Amino acid sequence: SQTIHQWPATLVQPVGSPLSLECTVEGTSNPNLYWYRQAAGRGLQLLFYSVGIGQISSEVPQNLSASRPQDRQFILSSKKLLLSDSGFYLCAWSPGTGVETQYFGPGTRLLVL
Amino acid sequence: GNSVTQMEGPVTLSEEAFLTINCTYTATGYPSLFWYVQYPGEGLQLLLKATKADDKGSNKGFEATYRKETTSFHLEKGSVQVSDSAVYFCALKQTGFQKLVFGTGTRLLVSP
Repeated sequence: SQTIHQWPATLVQPVGSPLSLECTVEGTSNPNLYWYRQAAGRGLQLLFYSVGIGQISSEVPQNLSASRPQDRQFILSSKKLLLSDSGFYLCAWSPGTGVETQYFGPGTRLLVL
Repeated sequence: GNSVTQMEGPVTLSEEAFLTINCTYTATGYPSLFWYVQYPGEGLQLLLKATKADDKGSNKGFEATYRKETTSFHLEKGSVQVSDSAVYFCALKQTGFQKLVFGTGTRLLVSP
């Protein structure tokens, strides 16, 4: 069966520091991968998605970036965090075969101080 | 553009009460519709889905019917439990597009 992992689970970072969040998927090949952000008390916003290695699409312009160095690895990064980057970051995957359903990881809670 | 509107919460119920969480959508064509649930401190779990008009998704006693004529996908459960306390998200996905469009979520609180 497929599993999705995210780490770290919780992160507290100062403003202006760099960020690296990692997501890996097991048990499937060539998945579509997604990064969402959930701000406190709000819905989910798609940040990035990827349909293959090195292929990244950005949905919202911001100081975050994403990379996909391996088929089942998706990384969310920032060179300098802002206070507004605080939130709950969720990685998701879907089969790259036209199946609509997305499956979510456990999330990383980021607090920027 | 595509959008999803959910009823504002929190919804507060006593155990064994009937639950309805309203969800309506705006989209072109025939999107797939989903309900996800988020338990405290966790990620989202797929609860149920429907991919075409008049389909009924069901899971764990929850069900929702894809109503094209009213552009709705209301979530229902006949008898809620304390363990159902969570935030419920309605979402849609257009065929050919990668993005899931989410509603803002509805918090359900069930008391014993």
